Amino acid sequence: LAKTTQPISMDSYEGQEVNITCSHNNIATNDYITWYQQFPSQGPRFIIQGYKTKVTNEVASLFIPADRKSSTLSLPRVSLSDTAVYYCLVGSREGPWVTGGGNKLTFGTGTQLKVEL
Amino acid sequence: DGGITQSPKYLFRKEGQNVTLSCEQNLNHDAMYWYRQDPGQGLRLIYYSQIVNDFQKGDIAEGYSVSREKKESFPLTVTSAQKNPTAFYLCASSRGLDGYTFGSGTRLTVV
Repeated sequence: LAKTTQPISMDSYEGQEVNITCSHNNIATNDYITWYQQFPSQGPRFIIQGYKTKVTNEVASLFIPADRKSSTLSLPRVSLSDTAVYYCLVGSREGPWVTGGGNKLTFGTGTQLKVEL
Repeated sequence: DGGITQSPKYLFRKEGQNVTLSCEQNLNHDAMYWYRQDPGQGLRLIYYSQIVNDFQKGDIAEGYSVSREKKESFPLTVTSAQKNPTAFYLCASSRGLDGYTFGSGTRLTVV
């Protein structure tokens, strides 16, 4: 499984755009990138997933450069409620996980985002 | 609504006791997982199961046991062999390459 590196913490203010970058230098050809959000004493929540270029949904955008060695989660106009830990994960498309259902993912320590007024 | 339910929310264990944490999902997901989270730390994988009657050890399986007799259920037993069981336990499920759906967690404390 590819190792990921992301900042331990970030601070922002309400209304600003926040970009959290994750490094995954040894990402494999069939790996894809997923981001989760976790509030205290809750389970993580899926935010967005991508393989290359750009993916956008109602919550965030995910930018992946051509070499795929990093990715950036972009949160537009954050609010206080976006204060949480954000995890970047890399998972493989290959192996029994694809046909058997499920995909084993490894969670690092994540990035603690703090949004202030 | 479909979802994944963990119970109880809080659990206290005496030294030397075995305790079982419940995890039930009605999402028709094939795969289920148990993670442990310590304060200020990321999630560590304890056990995972791809299909019924099959499960595999994760990174920190010692002192834990699981069963997968039904697709919907994946209970975790914390045995007396687990020397430091106080933690936040999270159950998750998934299907194919879809993202995980997590439960709300069980906070286990040894008293």
